[in-house]
Amino acid sequence: DTEVTQTPKHLVMGMTNKKSLKCEQHMGHRAMYWYKQKAKKPPELMFVYSYEKLSINESVPSRFSPECPNSSLLNLHLHALQPEDSALYLCASSQEVIERQETQYFGPGTRLLVL
Amino acid sequence: GNSVTQMEGPVTLSEEAFLTINCTYTATGYPSLFWYVQYPGEGLQLLLKATKADDKGSNKGFEATYRKETTSFHLEKGSVQVSDSAVYFCALRNTGNQFYFGTGTSLTVIP
Repeated sequence: DTEVTQTPKHLVMGMTNKKSLKCEQHMGHRAMYWYKQKAKKPPELMFVYSYEKLSINESVPSRFSPECPNSSLLNLHLHALQPEDSALYLCASSQEVIERQETQYFGPGTRLLVL
Repeated sequence: GNSVTQMEGPVTLSEEAFLTINCTYTATGYPSLFWYVQYPGEGLQLLLKATKADDKGSNKGFEATYRKETTSFHLEKGSVQVSDSAVYFCALRNTGNQFYFGTGTSLTVIP
């Protein structure tokens, strides 16, 4: 089973709302990632968690707040977003962070629209 | 540094045509190379990968060979189908945390 699940599939929110994106994997992977993808562009890395600890934050604005409650779950808390934050948010996981051979497995994404 | 360059799209082919999508890379050391596919409205799916020079990755009729001498990892398929219409991303991973993605190549296959 190489499945990463993400909820919700679609999300519409106002600039004053607080919402959360959820990601789950049951492959025993110890590394989890958040990416942002704009239309017709490659994914851009936002955050990396390794063994439930934040190891990379790619200078993401504080209105995005990641959380890794346990090794299978990854959340992205959203608050006071801007319309330009509208994008497809992808979660991914891999066995380890360091090894170059490791494949990242992606979820289907949450399509976010900020009004 | 690490980077990936893909051929510009979009690419439009007739069904059963031969497909090549070029990918070249710049990296220090010995990266692993990947092709991911993204169907409309979906996330990225791993298509194939190669972890060392001269390795050939293959899946669903697609192939790519890791060529260290030309720093390339071109994607090929002998006979495309309408269902292959998608965006294809070449990526590399070096020691460390990050994947480096190319800009993506959109493929449309017409009947």
